[in-house]
Amino acid sequence: GQNIDQPTEMTATEGAIVQINCTYQTSGFNGLFWYQQHAGEAPTFLSYNVLDGLEEKGRFSSFLSRSKGYSYLLLKELQMKDSASYLCAVQDSNYQLIWGAGTKLIIKP
Amino acid sequence: ETGVTQTPRHLVMGMTNKKSLKCEQHLGHNAMYWYKQSAKKPLELMFVYNFKEQTENNSVPSRFSPECPNSSHLFLHLHTLQPEDSALYLCASSPLRGEAETQYFGPGTRLLVL
Repeated sequence: GQNIDQPTEMTATEGAIVQINCTYQTSGFNGLFWYQQHAGEAPTFLSYNVLDGLEEKGRFSSFLSRSKGYSYLLLKELQMKDSASYLCAVQDSNYQLIWGAGTKLIIKP
Repeated sequence: ETGVTQTPRHLVMGMTNKKSLKCEQHLGHNAMYWYKQSAKKPLELMFVYNFKEQTENNSVPSRFSPECPNSSHLFLHLHTLQPEDSALYLCASSPLRGEAETQYFGPGTRLLVL
């Protein structure tokens, strides 16, 4: 079966750096997405990786290793507004998105 | 604001009621999706429409009935639901289905079935 694993919950301190990991086992691979979802709101697109390596976008970076079935989302200079759930999703060979259950990130002052 | 709107935002219904959820996208996309999101579970894809044609139905019970009158509007008709159907129902759109395209989500309808 297809599976996406990510930690259920993480806690970090304002101003610090946090890395949220995602491992996947899917039927084929056509890209990996990270979304941010604040409580009671829509998931919003953060990043897309289809080739190995690091994609940097401001305070957020996303890394992909296809051979290891592994990705991480790196958040720098954490702010209180970064408290949210972070969803990892992989597009399989049929272009269907397979979703992880999300990582709830709690930022403490 | 993602360009995808959903109404109502909250809905409480009894198991014998009939209600409909509405989704509208203002992005000019051709693919629309219904997802179910339950606490601490992955998003579950329910239905996919591409150019108004239903392309996927992921073994969803018949008490959920989708309708897509045009590429901008998507409905989910609800009938004789069960308490376990209580969840957040999310609508999404993307330029096409079958491409590595980003999906844009609406804020969801929080449904409670009593």
